[in-house]
Amino acid sequence: DVKVTQSSRYLVKRTGEKVFLECVQDMDHENMFWYRQDPGLGLRLIYFSYDVKMKEKGDIPEGYSVSREKKERFSLILESASTNQTSMYLCASRTNRVSYNEQFFGPGTRLTVL
Amino acid sequence: AQTVTQSQPEMSVQEAETVTLSCTYDTSENNYYLFWYKQPPSRQMILVIRQEAYKQQNATENRFSVNFQKAAKSFSLKISDSQLGDTAMYFCAFMTARYGSRLTFGEGTQLTVNP
Repeated sequence: DVKVTQSSRYLVKRTGEKVFLECVQDMDHENMFWYRQDPGLGLRLIYFSYDVKMKEKGDIPEGYSVSREKKERFSLILESASTNQTSMYLCASRTNRVSYNEQFFGPGTRLTVL
Repeated sequence: AQTVTQSQPEMSVQEAETVTLSCTYDTSENNYYLFWYKQPPSRQMILVIRQEAYKQQNATENRFSVNFQKAAKSFSLKISDSQLGDTAMYFCAFMTARYGSRLTFGEGTQLTVNP
């Protein structure tokens, strides 16, 4: 089975702190994604990566950056956390094969910024 | 740009009954995929069912089936014989068939199955 893991289930940080959210997948998927989930807004794409060291902005990239130094790992970085970044963060991965396009998700990290 | 709309924020159904969740989307693409994902209280997103736009036949997975109306850009999910374990947030999602495409999600529908 495909497994996508995230470094923390719950995280509490203070305003202004630098926050790292880590995501690892074990299926050699080319594509990796970071989403933010808020009630009534569904999942919104923050950033995605289709290859090592490659990144593309999603719909809400402001206040976030990403890093993908290895194929299996995709990190989301909050350079200076703010209270409006309190949310659920979901990582996902997917192969490039269009005919097999299921996206696999991690368990999510609930981040609270105080 | 593609958009996905789920107009039912919350729904409830009695155990063993049938419920239909609605989803509409907007796109100018002709080749695309539609998905329903389920997120139970554990928060783990799980793929429920997938539909290829070029297929006229509606997809079915056990108790889950879709009603895909391409001209109307409608993609509803029917759950038959609802079970308590079906209680979850359900998300409709869209993806084009192009290389490097990304999923666009609807707002979600919270389904509660009552005993």
